[in-house]
Amino acid sequence: EVQLVQSGAEVKKPGESLKISCKGSGYSFTSYWIGWVRQMPGKGLEWMGIIYPGDSDTRYSPSFQGQVTISADKSISTAYLQWSSLKASDTAMYYCARFDEVAATGFDYWGQGTLVTVSS
Amino acid sequence: QSVLTQPPSASGTPGQRVTISCSGSSSNIGSNYVYWYQQLPGTAPKLLIYRNNQRPSGVPDRFSGSKSGTSASLAISGLRSEDEADYYCAAWDDSLSGYWVFGGGTKLTVL
Repeated sequence: EVQLVQSGAEVKKPGESLKISCKGSGYSFTSYWIGWVRQMPGKGLEWMGIIYPGDSDTRYSPSFQGQVTISADKSISTAYLQWSSLKASDTAMYYCARFDEVAATGFDYWGQGTLVTVSS
Repeated sequence: QSVLTQPPSASGTPGQRVTISCSGSSSNIGSNYVYWYQQLPGTAPKLLIYRNNQRPSGVPDRFSGSKSGTSASLAISGLRSEDEADYYCAAWDDSLSGYWVFGGGTKLTVL
């Protein structure tokens, strides 16, 4: 069974750093892209970026380039999303999702989401 | 302001057919596949339609997708109360170095 399991909710202060994770199982982790999607409270979905764990090829949305870093450790089938200095406006739910570029089947499996709250 | 434009809301009564539109441009919908996602309240999004009009296994055939030029639409026939959710379209955009874009989402209410 394909699963993406994300790390738990975080409460941080502005200026702090954070790294959240997304662990894949039940499939070949290095053969699918992993994307990250932000959903601010009461708002829609925003695509942040994507990584191919097989070779760490990474693409970012122009809106998030330079704001976050996406990485992956294929040895433990885990992708990461990190911030070096959080802002209150980073408060949101963050989802990871798997994408098959060859089959073009879309983001077919999603993590359960990680709620990040940034407040002083 | 989302790159893909959807109506913020739609509604219908049980059994009706509703459609949700998604408007883009030549760099996204006009040259790439369209995908649709359903997000039930308090849950992660779920893939509903891929490659413009294909349904993943387990998605009822009441849901259908279509694309024409730089626009796409999602149709839901035989509307049911459990279809009440937010619906998002998405496509790859070829501008800059390429990136995924989502519509702003449409909240579907079953009256």
